[in-house]
Amino acid sequence: ETGVTQSPTHLIKTRGQQVTLRCSSQSGHNTVSWYQQALGQGPQFIFQYYREEENGRGNFPPRFSGLQFPNYSSELNVNALELDDSALYLCASSLVGGNIQYFGAGTRLSVL
Amino acid sequence: AQSVTQPDIHITVSEGASLELRCNYSYGATPYLFWYVQSPGQGLQLLLKYFSGDTLVQGIKGFEAEFKRSQSSFNLRKPSVHWSDAAEYFCAVGALTQGGSEKLVFGKGTKLTVNP
Repeated sequence: ETGVTQSPTHLIKTRGQQVTLRCSSQSGHNTVSWYQQALGQGPQFIFQYYREEENGRGNFPPRFSGLQFPNYSSELNVNALELDDSALYLCASSLVGGNIQYFGAGTRLSVL
Repeated sequence: AQSVTQPDIHITVSEGASLELRCNYSYGATPYLFWYVQSPGQGLQLLLKYFSGDTLVQGIKGFEAEFKRSQSSFNLRKPSVHWSDAAEYFCAVGALTQGGSEKLVFGKGTKLTVNP
């Protein structure tokens, strides 16, 4: 059984650029959630995908968008990067209704 | 709105000493509660969870937590801390989004330092 994997591990971008982060779900999991963890803070829910559709969103602007693919892997896209977008982005997979989310190691994004 | 408070930002204990990390939650219904641990540069690892039933739950690495509805608390405990327990600990409550999906609402975390 493979765990949740995220790529890349680290990323450096400049303000105004766009970024795509990737996540492969744990084997058998059909739901993917994304969280943003700013330095010194707990993770904050960005959105969740199930059956390739967004089915829940936190308090994040539309420039944060995502995709889920038929194999349940997922992407997080952020447009028009701002300095405050610098954070650790965590992906979590689960079974719908399963209540337990399993996290990847995250992608650390630095926006300069 | 759901929220989680971890009152202690940083705790230092000596190796072999007992540990208690505090967590208070705000949630209207019966909560699903979790403790996760994050080592430096790592993601979150689930230590234990409470869904229903016995209010004392056992987790991995010798940790346990007790759900107290009257105090809205879910404190994490370990009888004897090991140096490898040094990490950041996050308490979380499961909640529903407006779309009906499940999300986790986290506290700000407690950083644990273990002295030799």
